[in-house]
Order: sequence, then structure tokens, then C-alpha cells
Amino acid sequence: GAGVSQSPSNKVTEKGKDVELRCDPISGHTALYWYRQRLGQGLEFLIYFQGNSAPDKSGLPSDRFSAERTGESVSTLTIQRTQQEDSAVYLCASSPRGGGARDTQYFGPGTRLTVL
Amino acid sequence: LAKTTQPISMDSYEGQEVNITCSHNNIATNDYITWYQQFPSQGPRFIIQGYKTKVTNEVASLFIPADRKSSTLSLPRVSLSDTAVYYCLVGPNQGGKLIFGQGTELSVKP
Repeated sequence: GAGVSQSPSNKVTEKGKDVELRCDPISGHTALYWYRQRLGQGLEFLIYFQGNSAPDKSGLPSDRFSAERTGESVSTLTIQRTQQEDSAVYLCASSPRGGGARDTQYFGPGTRLTVL
Repeated sequence: LAKTTQPISMDSYEGQEVNITCSHNNIATNDYITWYQQFPSQGPRFIIQGYKTKVTNEVASLFIPADRKSSTLSLPRVSLSDTAVYYCLVGPNQGGKLIFGQGTELSVKP
């Protein structure tokens, strides 16, 4: 079946511009995660959505970052007034149940963001 | 969430068995141990998960001692295609986020 998809695959923007990154999770998956991965680094948790519960935003690095999810479908990560340190690969993952260690996360291919 | 510590990098040769150990001294009673693998330019993918003792699947084995303060991912007879970053995660069964650490970068040489 279809996996997690993300768009665009690559995004180059100028410092100060806003960007929107899209994630389409696997159909029926209730949990959705966003991560940031800088070059040569591990994954940095950003935000977690689970069903209709309030999202866990504890990983968002600043108020320039926000994310939305419509029901149990598509999610959008928005970065306002981008800075060069925002350059990274942004990964989205979905999982079929409530999250947690036993709920396998399925990752998309990521969006590579470059801020000039 | 339990903190994990694993080696930053490891080198191996084709055909060898590779063991990557992860320390998680403050693991909680209801925490599970999960390993993910990430190839270059791809998102991570699930490898194996366990709670205690030993788990084996078609890809790897996971050894967990009785005190559960560490776990060892064992990859039998590695090939060049096993070159990847391996992440150890520890978290509760239900709900919430997982924290990916730095991972272990495994390099398999011919």
C-alpha cells in the first residue's frame, strides 16, 4: 500500500520567507510526528498529533514553527521568517495506534529545506 | 522518557557479526526497547523491538538482560548494505512521542 508521502522533496528559500511542508500519512494511522534532522545529526522531535487530542508541541524550537493536522489526514508544518539554521531535512512519520514504543512509526522520504 | 546512550560509530567488515549496545539505566517498568535503522537520504525504519530476554526476527536479534538497563542489537553476517545509522529508543507502551538520540553510525567495509 501507499506509504507516507511528503512534499516538496526539496525546498530552497531565502532567509525571511515563510515555507509550508506537507505530509500525507498512511491512511488510517492515528498518530503523526514531525522531526527535524540536521546534516550528520540524529532526529530532533518537533511535534506529535494523536487523533483529536491536543498536539504535543514540546519539541517546536521557536514560535516561528507551527503545525496543523486535519483530523487523521494531512499535516502541514509551517516555518515563518526562515533562518539559515532552519536548513535541515524535515521528516514526517505516522503510526497506526496511539504512539509509544510499541507503535511502529513509518517515515516519509523527508523534505530537504535549504535557507539561503 | 528514558535516556539512551550508544556508541557514535562502529566499523565492521562484510560477513562479521555486529553487536551494538545501548545503555538505558533509568528504564521504567512499562518501557519497551525499539531499534530503528536509517539509510542515507531516507527516513528511519523499524528493525526490532523487545521488553526482556531475547527477540529474533529475519533482520536482527535483540538481547536484553534481566535488569533491562541495556540492550544489544545483533546483526548477523553484515553486508555492505547494512551500512546505516542505528537508533535505540526506549519508551512506554502506549502514547506519546519517542526520542531518537544520535544513533550509531555503522560502516561496513569490504
